[in-house]
Amino acid sequence: QSVLTQPPSASGTPGQRVSFSCSGSSSNIGSNYVCWYQQVPGTAPKLLIYMNNHRPSGVPDRFSGSRSGTSASLAISGLRSEDEADYYCAAWDDSLSGYVFGTGTKVTVL
Amino acid sequence: EVQLLESGGGLVQPGGSLRLSCAGSGFTFSTNGMSWVRQAPGKGPEWVSGIGRDTHYADSVKGRFTISRDNSKNTLYLQMNSLRAEDTAIYYCAKGDRNSGWLIWGQGTLVTVSS
Repeated sequence: QSVLTQPPSASGTPGQRVSFSCSGSSSNIGSNYVCWYQQVPGTAPKLLIYMNNHRPSGVPDRFSGSRSGTSASLAISGLRSEDEADYYCAAWDDSLSGYVFGTGTKVTVL
Repeated sequence: EVQLLESGGGLVQPGGSLRLSCAGSGFTFSTNGMSWVRQAPGKGPEWVSGIGRDTHYADSVKGRFTISRDNSKNTLYLQMNSLRAEDTAIYYCAKGDRNSGWLIWGQGTLVTVSS
């Protein structure tokens, strides 16, 4: 059972903005950086956001991350069909001395 | 080109052992943190173990799995003992650390624990 909670699904039409949350605690999100990963079924996860709000080279600026207290959020603006995937937040947990992934949010482009 | 290539997966009986390998190329292997992440069928990713200045393990594998690296061979290993059905998953190696995230991933190797 993951210690990072995400809504199971989110959806939008092409061009819309969607956002969803990742809820944790003081031992993970509250004191460590958050990363976000995108995963298309059958492929390895892809890093979208690191250190709360930084994008690796090549990730479109349509993707943005933020953190406030013990929660984080990922926003996708200008939604495109290729954004349909599963999205996972992740952070180090000081109490577990381990890395934890969120429960995942499936994004559907209507 | 930066690449990671896993090998060593397969079918093993409960209680058995397996050693996974991950060969890195295109970067200075010795100076990078590395991790193993697994994904059971239909489930989300689960971090298994990481190695940098020290080693860390998920509670679910602590005492059964051992992570190690041979920098002379640019290779990361995961020794898995006392395997259980719930260890069945695709195992990925990934380059990075807890702050910068894992930017580079291998293609994964499937481990199936079944009698």
